[in-house]
Amino acid sequence: DSGVTQTPKHLITATGQRVTLRCSPRSGDLSVYWYQQSLDQGLQFLIQYYNGEERAKGNILERFSAQQFPDLHSELNLSSLELGDSALYFCASSVGGQGNTIYFGEGSWLTVV
Amino acid sequence: AQSVTQLDSHVSVSEGTPVLLRCNYSSSYSPSLFWYVQHPNKGLQLLLKYTSAATLVKGINGFEAEFKKSETSFHLTKPSAHMSDAAEYFCVVSDLDGGFKTIFGAGTRLFVKA
Repeated sequence: DSGVTQTPKHLITATGQRVTLRCSPRSGDLSVYWYQQSLDQGLQFLIQYYNGEERAKGNILERFSAQQFPDLHSELNLSSLELGDSALYFCASSVGGQGNTIYFGEGSWLTVV
Repeated sequence: AQSVTQLDSHVSVSEGTPVLLRCNYSSSYSPSLFWYVQHPNKGLQLLLKYTSAATLVKGINGFEAEFKKSETSFHLTKPSAHMSDAAEYFCVVSDLDGGFKTIFGAGTRLFVKA
């Protein structure tokens, strides 16, 4: 158990809908990361927050947004969903800064039908 | 800019034989390097980490990796493969080039034959 908690574990929704994925980082970790993993694209970095502020942005679509709240939990919002958004979404956390180990949650499986 | 290349997308070994998963990196600064393992339908788990201390790093489950600056490599090895080692392995580089960044390799799928 990494200490990173993600909900829901599985989610099935229809195209055009909006979903929110939630993440609680390990106790004491200030950084939260979101990744998308699919069969065709592999593991893709989406976005990182550090202590409530956006720190780095990767291949995140404009239809997607995220935030980190004062209690350090984070949410990833996915809107206008398309079939291609079906993937495993990981949240990860670290203390923050270069070289710190990133700890991954078990992921949220999103299926868009 | 930093980058990481895992030289093999798939590696197949027989149980009890050595494992070698190759990783080359590019970094302008002193990087931190990691190997993660992902079993099917699971999250990524840290195997080992290099952060400029000993160049030979020992990890969990009998894995180890050697940092070779002259070759810009960080290959993962294990003397004897076990069936439970079958998984996807990711090499990761992290440094401060252009701001804090962590880059994941494309992954190497390890198959272990009985």
